[in-house]
Amino acid sequence: GEDVEQSLFLSVREGDSSVINCTYTDSSSTYLYWYKQEPGAGLQLLTYIFSNMDMKQDQRLTVLLNKKDKHLSLRIADTQTGDSAIYFCAESPDYKLSFGAGTTVTVRA
Amino acid sequence: GAVVSQHPSRVICKSGTSVKIECRSLDFQATTMFWYRQFPKQSLMLMATSNEGSKATYEQGVEKDKFLINHASLTLSTLTVTSAHPEDSSFYICSAREVDRGNTEAFFGQGTRLTVV
Repeated sequence: GEDVEQSLFLSVREGDSSVINCTYTDSSSTYLYWYKQEPGAGLQLLTYIFSNMDMKQDQRLTVLLNKKDKHLSLRIADTQTGDSAIYFCAESPDYKLSFGAGTTVTVRA
Repeated sequence: GAVVSQHPSRVICKSGTSVKIECRSLDFQATTMFWYRQFPKQSLMLMATSNEGSKATYEQGVEKDKFLINHASLTLSTLTVTSAHPEDSSFYICSAREVDRGNTEAFFGQGTRLTVV
């Protein structure tokens, strides 16, 4: 969706951290989401953050939210080959989800 | 997490025929289901929102007579692509949410790869 923007590609070395950035437009979104899609598969919810939080950590995943700038990021620590996938951020101003175009993360040895 | 099952995962059909895709919530009641379409290397485009027992709400530009949606029960929604053409070839994904309970998570099916030849 044009209301949610992400960079399209990210290449990272195995063991390094990955940072995927996203900007959104609707400040009324109560929650913001990160989804992962592996080739030929549906979407898997990775994590989400409530709009009144600025950070959420869940094992190797860290979500940062700058509500003023409408900027969301996902950091994956110690990136593994199994993390290679397309990552979508999504806003949800109502019960519908509006997705970014997805960031293809490639993990190289 | 909850499971949404989508069937079939892949289907090939001839031009002019119709194809039905099923989306089932296996362990929860989905008052609302969503149908998305994903083109290669692109994002998911919301096609329609389906509410149990009522007519689906289609997004702008989506032909309701082309993409028939039925949500007959709290666990099943179907999308029928009528008179399919090669340009309908795409990846279709459903998701389900317990909206009435304010649940934050949308659960996605595994998707259906439709190829029209």
